[in-house]
Amino acid sequence: NAGVTQTPKFQVLKTGQSMTLQCAQDMNHNSMYWYRQDPGMGLRLIYYSASEGTTDKGEVPNGYNVSRLNKREFSLRLESAAPSQTSVYFCASSEVGSIITGELFFGEGSRLTVL
Amino acid sequence: AQSVTQPDIHITVSEGASLELRCNYSYGATPYLFWYVQSPGQGLQLLLKYFSGDTLVQGIKGFEAEFKRSQSSFNLRKPSVHWSDAAEYFCAVAPSGSARQLTFGSGTQLTVLP
Repeated sequence: NAGVTQTPKFQVLKTGQSMTLQCAQDMNHNSMYWYRQDPGMGLRLIYYSASEGTTDKGEVPNGYNVSRLNKREFSLRLESAAPSQTSVYFCASSEVGSIITGELFFGEGSRLTVL
Repeated sequence: AQSVTQPDIHITVSEGASLELRCNYSYGATPYLFWYVQSPGQGLQLLLKYFSGDTLVQGIKGFEAEFKRSQSSFNLRKPSVHWSDAAEYFCAVAPSGSARQLTFGSGTQLTVLP
């Protein structure tokens, strides 16, 4: 009964280092999303994948890349981390891209600190 | 573009007291409206949603929300708060049914006193 699983849960990086956040869902959902959550700003969409094989930019895509590896997995990569990318990152999935017929399910978050 | 305002950053209530969390939105038409809850160390969970029809909607965990078109508001309420309700609450809006257009408010942190 895992739902949406994110790894790692915590990570500290130095400026310029790279890393990948992993996300996997076991609900056979088609759509997956990456958000970042910053104090006083709510959640903002970084990238999303409407279905396997497709990805699109969200509101704040700069500095990030994504890969929809298969239907289950959607990874977020920081090629050269910057302090402005210090945030809590959430992965989410939904059966389809509609929030009328479906619902977003969120992972527990990954807290990233860039020094 | 739509926007969401949650004017209260932090609210403290005593257990058993009533609760109202405010949410105002800015959008030309009536958007799709949502409330999510984030418990400590957890992801967001959907509490309730409004698309059309009856302006008072019921959600999980005893929460309800009322849509008021004239005030562009969608306030969340609970008659009697439990200690387990301590969490952060997010209002969200979308102009259509597309999840990628969901805009979240900045959140209201709820503390419950024993």
